[in-house]
Amino acid sequence: KNQVEQSPQSLIILEGKNCTLQCNYTVSPFSNLRWYKQDTGRGPVSLTIMTFSENTKSNGRYTATLDADTKQSSLHITASQLSDSASYICVVSGNDYKLSFGAGTTVTVRA
Amino acid sequence: DGGITQSPKYLFRKEGQNVTLSCEQNLNHDAMYWYRQDPGQGLRLIYYSQIVNDFQKGDIAEGYSVSREKKESFPLTVTSAQKNPTAFYLCASNRRDGSYEQYFGPGTRLTVT
Repeated sequence: KNQVEQSPQSLIILEGKNCTLQCNYTVSPFSNLRWYKQDTGRGPVSLTIMTFSENTKSNGRYTATLDADTKQSSLHITASQLSDSASYICVVSGNDYKLSFGAGTTVTVRA
Repeated sequence: DGGITQSPKYLFRKEGQNVTLSCEQNLNHDAMYWYRQDPGQGLRLIYYSQIVNDFQKGDIAEGYSVSREKKESFPLTVTSAQKNPTAFYLCASNRRDGSYEQYFGPGTRLTVT
């Protein structure tokens, strides 16, 4: 069964600090990996999409890495802001229509 | 203003009643999806449609039904057969040109008592 495991389940950081979220997956074959940001009560919004050949991708203060050999990805948030408080979801695609979703990491940024 | 709209944002129903959730997109996307989100779990696929007048069951289709009569619309009906219908429902869509970028609507929170 294709699985996507995220850690930690939740974390609290002070405004201005950095943090890293982890994603391990067993999806095979692998097509691409995405990170989404979901504010409470809203739909997820895409941050990055990486294919097999990409090992890093940035979107402003968000930087995602991918190691397709070890089937691991991370999302690094730099200089966190209060608006970064959200759930971050790792999503892995093995074909063109079916996605495997992680349960998400809830990030709380405190002033 | 392009995007996906879902209505209503909050929906309350009594147990035993069917309810239909709306999803409309003006992105000209061929594929549309319905997901269910429960606390502490990843999104789970209910139904998806790759083309008008065709749809397929996802992982948790029991107690749900859909239709795809128009490209821009993909309504979801939660029937009384769904044992645990209270959840956050998300609609999504994407092109079928290999870009795979999937866009989500704002969601509908359904509460059944």
